[in-house]
Amino acid sequence: TQLLEQSPQFLSIQEGENLTVYCNSSSVFSSLQWYRQEPGEGPVLLVTVVTGGEVKKLKRLTFQFGDARKDSSLHITAAQPGDTGLYLCAGALGAGNNRKLIWGLGTSLAVNP
Amino acid sequence: GAGVSQSPSNKVTEKGKDVELRCDPISGHTALYWYRQSLGQGLEFLIYFQGNSAPDKSGLPSDRFSAERTGGSVSTLTIQRTQQEDSAVYLCASSPVGTGGISDTQYFGPGTRLTVL
Repeated sequence: TQLLEQSPQFLSIQEGENLTVYCNSSSVFSSLQWYRQEPGEGPVLLVTVVTGGEVKKLKRLTFQFGDARKDSSLHITAAQPGDTGLYLCAGALGAGNNRKLIWGLGTSLAVNP
Repeated sequence: GAGVSQSPSNKVTEKGKDVELRCDPISGHTALYWYRQSLGQGLEFLIYFQGNSAPDKSGLPSDRFSAERTGGSVSTLTIQRTQQEDSAVYLCASSPVGTGGISDTQYFGPGTRLTVL
């Protein structure tokens, strides 16, 4: 059972367009992270959101954590070819040594020049 | 500073052979994770080491899979009697805390691409 659903699974857009990808679950997370993975590399952390309703901005990327801490979105403004990659969300369940990260399947983004 | 390194970067083996994959975490990181990533399957958790605690092996798919972490640093993932369905990218990550801190960040290596013929 996939606890974290990401949508869309694939997205191909032109340079300069805006886009939003989503990460949804029925579980409540203590925190949620977004990673970006480029071909041949491991995922790299972009942001961690903790508080329900929290919004964080990283240049042209805006991350939002849902009020109930069950979902999150990533909005990219004026996408660039360098934004191309696999975007993964990971939600933290449990606490202490029982804490686990649950991973979504990712959104594969291609930004065409 | 040096990041997480993994070796080999690519491994091609024949069905039924054993393979060992190595991970060198970032120095001082107490937590170490192994994941498997197959095309269209996302990241699949395999095993988690935290300090001197017993590892969390709940993600290992079968008893053909095992992992060690010697001296709290380098880790080796061993797959015995490999099968074609074991073909995937095996990713290692380390974390400086790993005790449930909400700001925990996992630093990933580039992965080992395993192909079982």
